[in-house]
Amino acid sequence: GDSVTQMEGPVTLSEEACLTINCTYTATGYPSLFWYVQYPGEGLQLLLKATKADDKGSNKGFEATYRKETTSFHLEKGSVQVSDSAVYFCALSDRGGSQGNLIFGKGTKLSVKP
Amino acid sequence: EAQVTQNPRYLITVTGKKLTVTCSQNMNHEYMSWYRQDPGLGLRQIYYSMNVEVTDKGDVPEGYKVSRKEKRNFPLILESPSPNQTSLYFCASSLRESWGEQYFGPGTRLTVT
Repeated sequence: GDSVTQMEGPVTLSEEACLTINCTYTATGYPSLFWYVQYPGEGLQLLLKATKADDKGSNKGFEATYRKETTSFHLEKGSVQVSDSAVYFCALSDRGGSQGNLIFGKGTKLSVKP
Repeated sequence: EAQVTQNPRYLITVTGKKLTVTCSQNMNHEYMSWYRQDPGLGLRQIYYSMNVEVTDKGDVPEGYKVSRKEKRNFPLILESPSPNQTSLYFCASSLRESWGEQYFGPGTRLTVT
């Protein structure tokens, strides 16, 4: 079945460092890919999305490019801030598979130190 | 304000005592879903609903029931809770045509003793 694999955390960075969180997927159909963020004590929020190969999603300085050849959707940011400390989830929805079944990775906790 | 609300936010109960966690959204979304979040396991989908009177199992439906009688409400029912259902539960909603882009509620932390 479909699945999402994320790099395990926690990831600890200093402010202004570069961030990459790796995400790879397996899917039988034509997935859309997402990054969600969960700040402490809150529900998840959609951070960015990409619906087809080579699409780049971006928001709040974060970017991710849908790479079909490597089945990847890595999250990147050039300069992290303390306020970026959160748990990040990669997810996929497979339009060719089970409609409505959103599949998440296990999450990567990011801590940014001043 | 557009939002998904869940009640209660915190609940401690005993094994076997039936409980319901309510979920309501004010965005006229067709799609609604329930997830549980556990350490080291991430989010796992319990049930989802693409529209009123339509529900489907997610990845971990055992021990849970849902109903979708109205568009705005999607309650989660645990008829006989067990300690392994101790978890953090999230409700989410979205438009049907973009069901991957979900709005999440604040969560319900359930402890079953």
